[in-house]
Amino acid sequence: DAKTTQPPSMDCAEGRAANLPCNHSTISGNEYVYWYRQIHSQGPQYIIHGLKNNETNEMASLIITEDRKSSTLILPHATLRDTAVYYCIVRVAAAAGNKLTFGGGTRVLVKP
Amino acid sequence: SAVISQKPSRDICQRGTSLTIQCQVDSQVTMMFWYRQQPGQSLTLIATANQGSEATYESGFVIDKFPISRPNLTFSTLTVSNMSPEDSSIYLCSAEANYGYTFGSGTRLTVV
Repeated sequence: DAKTTQPPSMDCAEGRAANLPCNHSTISGNEYVYWYRQIHSQGPQYIIHGLKNNETNEMASLIITEDRKSSTLILPHATLRDTAVYYCIVRVAAAAGNKLTFGGGTRVLVKP
Repeated sequence: SAVISQKPSRDICQRGTSLTIQCQVDSQVTMMFWYRQQPGQSLTLIATANQGSEATYESGFVIDKFPISRPNLTFSTLTVSNMSPEDSSIYLCSAEANYGYTFGSGTRLTVV
């Protein structure tokens, strides 16, 4: 029951900004958007999350549209080490507690 | 942020046997999660494990096949029972941390 849609893959140039889109048109008002990435053979790594406002940290920026139906993760200066699968996730509230349900993700290849 | 140690990191098991995977968190956490990642696929949530209550399983996963223990706020185990080659996957433990969710590095299981 993943609630997000992402392009399956994208390439970007080293040193340039990478903009990763995500559609979550069925998101509810109290559901957060999380971004994780998974580098080959490792566990997912937290990047950023947000509810309504745009967010920025040392890794990336998260831009959420006003209607909250989509968002964009921005890696400001992509490096070769940013090559990974990036997951946009809507945190779902459940009886047992909030949980992350992963979708297909975007496979990002940073090229020299 | 919480750090998760997961073991074993990998194992090769005979069909029909069972394997127990351990997940240790370096701080107390309320919610822990178990995921499966089949080759080339995204992560699929198996169950949510809260201390003091029975695990809550996602559709398609049952307790007889994937029994889970959660004896305290820093530890959980997942057992893969009566294994078949279709159980060959990476199994990941996750915990809800201050900012979101942290993941272990996974257990790569091969069933022969």
